[in-house]
Amino acid sequence: RKEVEQDPGPFNVPEGATVAFNCTYSNSASQSFFWYRQDCRKEPKLLMSVYSSGNEDGRFTAQLNRASQYISLLIRDSKLSDSATYLCVGSGSARQLTFGSGTQLTVLP
Amino acid sequence: EAGVVQSPRYKIIEKKQPVAFWCNPISGHNTLYWYLQNLGQGPELLIRYENEEAVDDSQLPKDRFSAERLKGVDSTLKIQPAELGDSAVYLCASSLGFASGSYNEQFFGPGTRLTVL
Repeated sequence: RKEVEQDPGPFNVPEGATVAFNCTYSNSASQSFFWYRQDCRKEPKLLMSVYSSGNEDGRFTAQLNRASQYISLLIRDSKLSDSATYLCVGSGSARQLTFGSGTQLTVLP
Repeated sequence: EAGVVQSPRYKIIEKKQPVAFWCNPISGHNTLYWYLQNLGQGPELLIRYENEEAVDDSQLPKDRFSAERLKGVDSTLKIQPAELGDSAVYLCASSLGFASGSYNEQFFGPGTRLTVL
């Protein structure tokens, strides 16, 4: 079993839709969590950190549930430019990042 | 400010040939990482350097892969000999040094896309 698991998608949604991605992690020692975004044939870039209390950055909301070892990302009012692969990432005590396989999102006009 | 620089961007070689990738991290970033990314997968850590010291190389296939960061700045990753299964994107990332209890964002370079024929 992979340490970080994501639904690979693809998710195809119309512009303006709300879409949610889920991720589970198996290492209960993981301390920090993040969502990275990766455009086609580009490098990953940090989208946002994930906190237990939930955090919001514009149209993006991230949530961590430690009891269920579950992380989510919600995108509201999807834009064409949101089309990308979203990588769920966990970090343990050594601050080593463990990436999920990514969820592919395509926002359709 | 320049980001993480990698070269070459693309490399095509025949199996059993050697290949080397170069990375120059963001100025002032003490921590450097090499990742491997296969199609449809997330990046997987190969090795992490703190300055010139390799502090985590547990995932590096040491029979054919080697890396160095002699002066604690730029780094080279080498494969010798390359195998068909080594075809992937090799990503370099850097971050500020580990501060106790904090996470420093990793910035990735554009990667080197390796094709082994």
